Amino acid sequence: GAVVSQHPSWVICKSGTSVKIECRSLDFQATTMFWYRQFPKQSLMLMATSNEGSKATYEQGVEKDKFLINHASLTLSTLTVTSAHPEDSSFYICSAKDSRAFDINSPLHFGNGTRLTVT
Amino acid sequence: GQQVMQIPQYQHVQEGEDFTTYCNSSTTLSNIQWYKQRPGGHPVFLIQLVKSGEVKKQKRLTFQFGEAKKNSSLHITATQTTDVGTYFCAGNSGTYKYIFGTGTRLKVLA
Repeated sequence: GAVVSQHPSWVICKSGTSVKIECRSLDFQATTMFWYRQFPKQSLMLMATSNEGSKATYEQGVEKDKFLINHASLTLSTLTVTSAHPEDSSFYICSAKDSRAFDINSPLHFGNGTRLTVT
Repeated sequence: GQQVMQIPQYQHVQEGEDFTTYCNSSTTLSNIQWYKQRPGGHPVFLIQLVKSGEVKKQKRLTFQFGEAKKNSSLHITATQTTDVGTYFCAGNSGTYKYIFGTGTRLKVLA
């Protein structure tokens, strides 16, 4: 159980276009999801916390108008990279917390990630 | 803000040698998780530690959570070439957000 599906797994787009990445919890509901970005040979950096039915909370330095997050249902959060540029090329990965798990120590469940290349 | 550092950044070992990576948080953690990421892959969850001083073992891997819940370690006994990858710790300070450590890249020489 506790599967998080992320789509697409990889995408190549042209500079100036927008790309949408989906993160779905398949067998549980997730009121909170997290979006990370990982540049080559670096760690995962938390970009934002996605909250179902409300605005996302962005980490310092992350442009909310460039990285649009929508969490319209309990099983789906989307990250849209708007007007993508080559420097946005990265590995984007989401994680989700089971809404039934009230314990703060409950593990998160990660998607397989999306590798974005902007040409 | 919270920072999670890992040392060493890189480690090359001969197959059969032991390996240890250390994780240090600037703040006290509620729990800590460990992940392994193979080259070109995504992070894979290994284990979660919650209690102060907790020690958990998975075959050749031993995980430890410090008494003060600010540091952790991962020790691999008798490394194998399949152990190659980057090992990340990820700490939770009680806000549901996990901050990833800087990672330790392990290379095992056959």
